[in-house]
Amino acid sequence: KNEVEQSPQNLTAQEGEFITINCSYSVGISALHWLQQHPGGGIVSLFMLSSGKKKHGRLIATINIQEKHSSLHITASHPRDSAVYICAVRGGWNRDDKIIFGKGTRLHILP
Amino acid sequence: EPEVTQTPSHQVTQMGQEVILRCVPISNHLYFYWYRQILGQKVEFLVSFYNNEISEKSEIFDDQFSVERPDGSNFTLKIRSTKLEDSAMYFCASSEPDRGRDTQYFGPGTRLTVL
Repeated sequence: KNEVEQSPQNLTAQEGEFITINCSYSVGISALHWLQQHPGGGIVSLFMLSSGKKKHGRLIATINIQEKHSSLHITASHPRDSAVYICAVRGGWNRDDKIIFGKGTRLHILP
Repeated sequence: EPEVTQTPSHQVTQMGQEVILRCVPISNHLYFYWYRQILGQKVEFLVSFYNNEISEKSEIFDDQFSVERPDGSNFTLKIRSTKLEDSAMYFCASSEPDRGRDTQYFGPGTRLTVL
């Protein structure tokens, strides 16, 4: 059983659409990360959450600790948002504890 | 903006050879990590490093692997006696010492191809 599940696996949408990517996890966590992996392979950290909601530009991330669920939203999506979005959780309370990654959601925004 | 750098961007080696992947973390960061992504698969944690020692390692990180911070700037991953299945993208990351800021900054990765 995967400890971190993302849905959908693949998502294609038109430019301008509101995008939601979901992440569910089965372990107790101290932090959840949302990462963006570009087609070339590079990884960018978008958010680190331990509770509530964070917003950065057109990106919004929320987490519900009780339900063990997080969502990443993209407003006014643009073709440059096309990438793989990865949810990752840290189980322990130390910064150097192991991080478990989801398989990612491949997002394709059509112009 | 400061960034994590990795060299080389692509390393090709023969099976059985040793490789050293190099990373330069962001200068004031104290926590360092290595991750691996086999083509088409998810990113996997290998090891975390703090205060000049390994903090945690995954089951992947066996005796074939070692990490070192040989000086104040470099953080290396050594893979001894490489196997075909070691072919992957290897990412280094670092994070700040401030407890309130836990974002990990990733390097661009080194693509390792074992022939």
